[in-house]
Formats: sequence, C-alpha cells, structure tokens
Amino acid sequence: SQTIHQWPATLVQPVGSPLSLECTVEGTSNPNLYWYRQAAGRGLQLLFYSVGIGQISSEVPQNLSASRPQDRQFILSSKKLLLSDSGFYLCAWSRQGISNQPQHFGDGTRLSIL
Amino acid sequence: GEDVEQSLFLSVREGDSSVINCTYTDSSSTYLYWYKQEPGAGLQLLTYIFSNMDMKQDQRLTVLLNKKDKHLSLRIADTQTGDSAIYFCAASYQKVTFGIGTKLQVIP
Repeated sequence: SQTIHQWPATLVQPVGSPLSLECTVEGTSNPNLYWYRQAAGRGLQLLFYSVGIGQISSEVPQNLSASRPQDRQFILSSKKLLLSDSGFYLCAWSRQGISNQPQHFGDGTRLSIL
Repeated sequence: GEDVEQSLFLSVREGDSSVINCTYTDSSSTYLYWYKQEPGAGLQLLTYIFSNMDMKQDQRLTVLLNKKDKHLSLRIADTQTGDSAIYFCAASYQKVTFGIGTKLQVIP
C-alpha cells in the first residue's frame, strides 16, 4: 500500500530564517505531488505541483519554492521566511497517467513564524 | 475556473443524521470527493463518486449527486462524537478544486 510522510510535524522559525519541509511517498512510482497551505484551519491553497522529477508548476507567486530531486521526494523551501508564511502545510500525491485520481494527504507540518 | 462552495458550520446531536452540502460550478467535473480533516491532521479521503452516478453508499456514509443542479451531499447516519471534524468537498475535471470545508460539531 502507499504511504506519504511529511516532516517535521511542527516547526517554529524566526522571521528571515530559511525553511525546508520534506515529503516522501512510498509504494508507488511517478506520482503527481502537491504542496498546499491551509491558513487558520480552513481552505486549501495549492502552492506547487509536480508531474515528474525536476518538473514544478507554481500556482501562487511568493517567496516559497519547491523541488523534486527524486521521483518520490518533494521539498518546500524558502530562503527568508515572512510572518505571512505561518500556516499548516500539506503534501499530497495522486496517481500519474489517469486523470482525476483522488489526492492522498500527509499529516501536515504546522509552521509558526515568530 | 471551478468554484466549490460549502456551508461553514453544522451542528448535530449524537445519534442523529448529518447532511453536509456542496455545490460546484463546472458541469464537466467528472469526480467528486469528500475528505475529512480531524484537528491537527491531514485530509483523509472518505469517499468519491463518479459523475455518472446518482448515489454511493459506504457503511454510514451516503453520497448523493444531483448533476443537473451541480449539488453534492454527504449524509452521515448515526453521527458519533468521533465524526466531529472539518469535511471538504472537492470537484475534479482537469484539476481538483476544494471547498472551504464544513466544520461538523457533534453534541453528546
């Protein structure tokens, strides 16, 4: 069966510091991968998605970036965090090649910026 | 683009049925999903329905789809306190669009 792991679960960072959040998927190959942000425990904002290694699409311009160095690894980064980057970050995967496959989510990372 | 709308809040008594409603705008949507999010956790896929179906039942969960009105509902029978969570509706055509989530409060 497929599993998705995100870490860390919680993170407290000062303004201006760098960020690296990691997500890995097991039990499937060549998945679509997604990063979402959820503010105030409500709606999801799609930040980035990837259909393959090195292929990243950005949905919202901001000071975050994403990379996919390996097939089942997706990383969310920032060089300098802003207060507005606080939130709950969720990674998700879906099957490649068949449209409209459901997305499956990790447990999320709670990021607090001080 | 697609819009998916849900009411923000629903309160029910334990043992009653809960009905969470959702509307979407893109009639081309082919799959419609319901997710559950418990506090501090990720989204868990509960069920989904293909657009050529009217109804899908899975234990205590019943999904009804009115494609003409672009209306989707999730009925939870015999609601339990463990059902307290935020429920997200999502519609998919070329990409998945999520609603803002309905917070279900179950009163013991």
